[in-house]
Amino acid sequence: EDKVVQSPLSLVVHEGDTVTLNCSYEVTNFRSLLWYKQEKKAPTFLFMLTSSGIEKKSGRLSSILDKKELFSILNITATQTGDSAIYLCAVEGSWGKLQFGAGTQVVVTP
Amino acid sequence: DTAVSQTPKYLVTQMGNDKSIKCEQNLGHDTMYWYKQDSKKFLKIMFSYNNKELIINETVPNRFSPKSPDKAHLNLHINSLELGDSAVYFCASSRPGTSRYEQFFGPGTRLTVL
Repeated sequence: EDKVVQSPLSLVVHEGDTVTLNCSYEVTNFRSLLWYKQEKKAPTFLFMLTSSGIEKKSGRLSSILDKKELFSILNITATQTGDSAIYLCAVEGSWGKLQFGAGTQVVVTP
Repeated sequence: DTAVSQTPKYLVTQMGNDKSIKCEQNLGHDTMYWYKQDSKKFLKIMFSYNNKELIINETVPNRFSPKSPDKAHLNLHINSLELGDSAVYFCASSRPGTSRYEQFFGPGTRLTVL
Protein backbone atom coordinates (compact mmCIF):
# COMPACT_ATOMS: atom_id res chain seq x y z
CA GLU A 1 0.00 0.00 0.00
CA ASP A 2 1.22 3.49 -0.84
CA LYS A 3 2.37 5.58 2.09
CA VAL A 4 3.86 8.98 2.80
CA VAL A 5 5.52 9.62 6.16
CA GLN A 6 6.45 13.07 7.38
CA SER A 7 8.69 13.93 10.29
CA PRO A 8 8.70 15.49 12.73
CA LEU A 9 4.98 15.72 13.38
CA SER A 10 5.44 19.07 15.03
CA LEU A 11 8.15 21.47 16.09
CA VAL A 12 8.53 24.84 17.75
CA VAL A 13 11.34 27.18 16.75
CA HIS A 14 12.34 30.79 17.37
CA GLU A 15 12.24 33.44 14.70
CA GLY A 16 15.44 33.35 12.69
CA ASP A 17 16.02 29.61 13.13
CA THR A 18 16.32 27.20 10.21
CA VAL A 19 13.81 24.37 9.89
CA THR A 20 14.20 21.10 7.98
CA LEU A 21 11.13 18.98 7.31
CA ASN A 22 11.32 15.41 6.06
CA CYS A 23 9.08 13.36 3.80
CA SER A 24 9.67 9.72 2.91
CA TYR A 25 7.43 7.74 0.59
CA GLU A 26 6.55 4.41 -0.94
CA VAL A 27 4.32 4.91 -3.95
CA THR A 28 3.76 2.80 -7.02
CA ASN A 29 4.00 4.66 -10.32
CA PHE A 30 5.64 7.72 -8.79
CA ARG A 31 5.15 10.83 -10.89
CA SER A 32 5.97 13.75 -8.63
CA LEU A 33 6.24 14.97 -5.04
CA LEU A 34 4.54 18.15 -3.92
CA TRP A 35 4.81 20.36 -0.86
CA TYR A 36 1.88 22.42 0.38
CA LYS A 37 1.51 24.95 3.19
CA GLN A 38 -1.75 24.96 5.12
CA GLU A 39 -2.55 27.81 7.43
CA LYS A 40 -6.16 28.27 8.47
CA LYS A 41 -7.86 27.17 5.31
CA ALA A 42 -6.94 25.51 2.05
CA PRO A 43 -3.51 24.07 1.33
CA THR A 44 -1.49 26.33 -0.92
CA PHE A 45 1.06 24.99 -3.34
CA LEU A 46 4.77 25.46 -2.63
CA PHE A 47 6.81 23.13 -4.82
CA MET A 48 6.56 20.26 -7.26
CA LEU A 49 9.57 17.98 -7.58
CA THR A 50 10.03 15.38 -10.26
CA SER A 51 13.79 15.00 -10.68
CA SER A 52 16.37 13.90 -8.14
CA GLY A 53 19.01 16.29 -6.89
CA ILE A 54 17.57 19.48 -8.37
CA GLU A 55 16.87 22.03 -5.67
CA LYS A 56 13.84 24.23 -6.02
CA LYS A 57 13.87 27.58 -4.25
CA SER A 58 11.32 30.23 -3.48
CA GLY A 59 12.57 32.97 -1.22
CA ARG A 60 13.56 31.43 2.11
CA LEU A 61 12.07 28.05 1.20
CA SER A 62 13.84 25.33 -0.70
CA SER A 63 13.23 21.67 -1.40
CA ILE A 64 15.02 18.73 -2.92
CA LEU A 65 14.05 15.20 -3.92
CA ASP A 66 16.02 11.94 -3.71
CA LYS A 67 14.27 9.34 -5.88
CA LYS A 68 16.80 6.66 -5.04
CA GLU A 69 16.30 6.91 -1.29
CA LEU A 70 12.64 7.91 -1.70
CA PHE A 71 12.56 11.09 0.35
CA SER A 72 12.37 14.83 0.13
CA ILE A 73 13.26 17.66 2.47
CA LEU A 74 11.81 21.13 2.79
CA ASN A 75 14.04 23.80 4.30
CA ILE A 76 12.93 27.13 5.69
CA THR A 77 15.71 29.56 6.57
CA ALA A 78 15.47 32.68 8.75
CA THR A 79 12.01 31.64 9.90
CA GLN A 80 9.33 34.24 10.57
CA THR A 81 6.09 33.98 12.55
CA GLY A 82 4.24 33.95 9.25
CA ASP A 83 5.85 30.60 8.48
CA SER A 84 3.75 29.01 11.25
CA ALA A 85 1.56 26.47 9.48
CA ILE A 86 1.11 22.80 8.72
CA TYR A 87 3.40 21.68 5.90
CA LEU A 88 2.00 18.84 3.85
CA CYS A 89 3.94 16.51 1.63
CA ALA A 90 2.04 14.67 -1.12
CA VAL A 91 3.16 12.14 -3.69
CA GLU A 92 1.45 11.84 -7.03
CA GLY A 93 0.81 8.34 -8.35
CA SER A 94 -1.41 6.97 -11.06
CA TRP A 95 -4.33 9.06 -12.38
CA GLY A 96 -3.04 12.14 -10.60
CA LYS A 97 -3.93 10.68 -7.24
CA LEU A 98 -2.22 12.55 -4.43
CA GLN A 99 -1.28 10.58 -1.33
CA PHE A 100 -0.74 13.02 1.54
CA GLY A 101 1.40 12.63 4.61
CA ALA A 102 0.06 13.57 8.04
CA GLY A 103 1.80 16.93 7.90
CA THR A 104 4.31 18.73 10.08
CA GLN A 105 2.99 21.46 12.34
CA VAL A 106 5.54 24.28 12.53
CA VAL A 107 5.21 26.97 15.18
CA VAL A 108 7.56 29.95 14.98
CA THR A 109 7.70 32.00 18.17
CA PRO A 110 8.78 35.65 18.26
CA ASP B 1 -11.96 35.92 -9.62
CA THR B 2 -11.96 32.96 -7.21
CA ALA B 3 -10.23 29.95 -8.78
CA VAL B 4 -11.89 27.10 -6.86
CA SER B 5 -14.98 27.92 -4.83
CA GLN B 6 -17.08 25.80 -2.51
CA THR B 7 -20.47 26.33 -0.92
CA PRO B 8 -21.34 26.34 1.84
CA LYS B 9 -18.27 27.19 3.93
CA TYR B 10 -19.89 25.84 7.07
CA LEU B 11 -22.55 23.18 7.41
CA VAL B 12 -24.06 22.07 10.69
CA THR B 13 -26.67 19.34 10.55
CA GLN B 14 -28.25 16.47 12.45
CA MET B 15 -27.39 12.81 12.09
CA GLY B 16 -29.45 11.07 9.46
CA ASN B 17 -29.90 14.13 7.25
CA ASP B 18 -28.87 14.37 3.61
CA LYS B 19 -26.70 17.28 2.51
CA SER B 20 -24.80 18.51 -0.54
CA ILE B 21 -21.62 20.51 -1.00
CA LYS B 22 -21.00 22.30 -4.28
CA CYS B 23 -17.71 23.03 -5.98
CA GLU B 24 -16.91 25.15 -9.01
CA GLN B 25 -13.62 26.01 -10.70
CA ASN B 26 -13.02 28.72 -13.29
CA LEU B 27 -9.50 27.63 -14.20
CA GLY B 28 -10.49 25.61 -17.24
CA HIS B 29 -9.14 22.45 -15.61
CA ASP B 30 -10.30 19.03 -16.69
CA THR B 31 -9.89 17.17 -13.40
CA MET B 32 -11.57 17.80 -10.07
CA TYR B 33 -11.19 16.10 -6.70
CA TRP B 34 -12.83 15.77 -3.32
CA TYR B 35 -10.66 15.37 -0.22
CA LYS B 36 -11.61 14.84 3.41
CA GLN B 37 -9.49 16.31 6.19
CA ASP B 38 -10.23 14.85 9.59
CA SER B 39 -9.65 16.30 13.05
CA LYS B 40 -6.03 15.14 12.97
CA LYS B 41 -5.50 17.22 9.83
CA PHE B 42 -4.92 14.14 7.69
CA LEU B 43 -5.94 14.93 4.13
CA LYS B 44 -7.26 11.97 2.18
CA ILE B 45 -8.60 11.75 -1.36
CA MET B 46 -12.15 10.53 -1.84
CA PHE B 47 -13.00 10.97 -5.53
CA SER B 48 -11.63 12.36 -8.75
CA TYR B 49 -13.39 13.20 -12.00
CA ASN B 50 -11.78 13.89 -15.34
CA ASN B 51 -14.07 15.52 -17.91
CA LYS B 52 -17.12 14.41 -15.97
CA GLU B 53 -15.93 10.80 -15.70
CA LEU B 54 -15.08 9.15 -12.40
CA ILE B 55 -11.41 8.10 -12.36
CA ILE B 56 -10.59 7.74 -8.68
CA ASN B 57 -12.99 6.22 -6.18
CA GLU B 58 -11.33 5.46 -2.90
CA THR B 59 -12.83 3.30 -0.20
CA VAL B 60 -15.62 5.67 0.72
CA PRO B 61 -19.07 4.65 2.04
CA ASN B 62 -21.66 4.61 -0.71
CA ARG B 63 -23.58 7.25 1.26
CA PHE B 64 -21.18 9.64 -0.50
CA SER B 65 -22.06 10.27 -4.12
CA PRO B 66 -20.18 12.73 -6.30
CA LYS B 67 -21.84 14.30 -9.31
CA SER B 68 -20.19 16.25 -12.10
CA PRO B 69 -22.71 18.04 -14.33
CA ASP B 70 -19.86 19.54 -16.37
CA LYS B 71 -16.10 19.70 -16.07
CA ALA B 72 -16.23 22.98 -14.10
CA HIS B 73 -18.43 21.56 -11.34
CA LEU B 74 -18.12 18.64 -8.95
CA ASN B 75 -20.72 18.33 -6.22
CA LEU B 76 -20.71 15.96 -3.28
CA HIS B 77 -23.94 14.56 -1.89
CA ILE B 78 -23.96 12.76 1.45
CA ASN B 79 -26.89 10.63 2.56
CA SER B 80 -27.76 9.59 6.11
CA LEU B 81 -25.05 11.68 7.72
CA GLU B 82 -23.12 10.14 10.62
CA LEU B 83 -21.06 11.69 13.41
CA GLY B 84 -17.88 10.39 11.79
CA ASP B 85 -18.58 12.41 8.67
CA SER B 86 -17.67 15.58 10.58
CA ALA B 87 -14.59 16.97 8.87
CA VAL B 88 -13.43 19.63 6.47
CA TYR B 89 -14.09 18.70 2.85
CA PHE B 90 -11.84 20.23 0.22
CA CYS B 91 -12.47 20.39 -3.47
CA ALA B 92 -9.49 20.72 -5.82
CA SER B 93 -8.84 20.92 -9.53
CA SER B 94 -5.90 20.35 -11.83
CA ARG B 95 -4.86 20.13 -15.44
CA PRO B 96 -4.00 16.50 -16.19
CA GLY B 97 -2.17 14.88 -19.03
CA THR B 98 1.38 15.20 -17.76
CA SER B 99 3.01 14.72 -14.39
CA ARG B 100 3.86 18.38 -14.21
CA TYR B 101 0.87 20.06 -12.68
CA GLU B 102 -0.38 21.14 -9.32
CA GLN B 103 -3.73 20.84 -7.65
CA PHE B 104 -5.53 24.02 -6.62
CA PHE B 105 -7.64 23.70 -3.52
CA GLY B 106 -10.91 25.38 -2.63
CA PRO B 107 -11.40 27.06 0.77
CA GLY B 108 -13.01 23.98 2.30
CA THR B 109 -16.40 23.19 3.79
CA ARG B 110 -16.48 22.47 7.50
CA LEU B 111 -19.17 19.87 8.10
CA THR B 112 -20.36 19.27 11.65
CA VAL B 113 -22.78 16.45 12.29
CA LEU B 114 -24.59 16.63 15.65
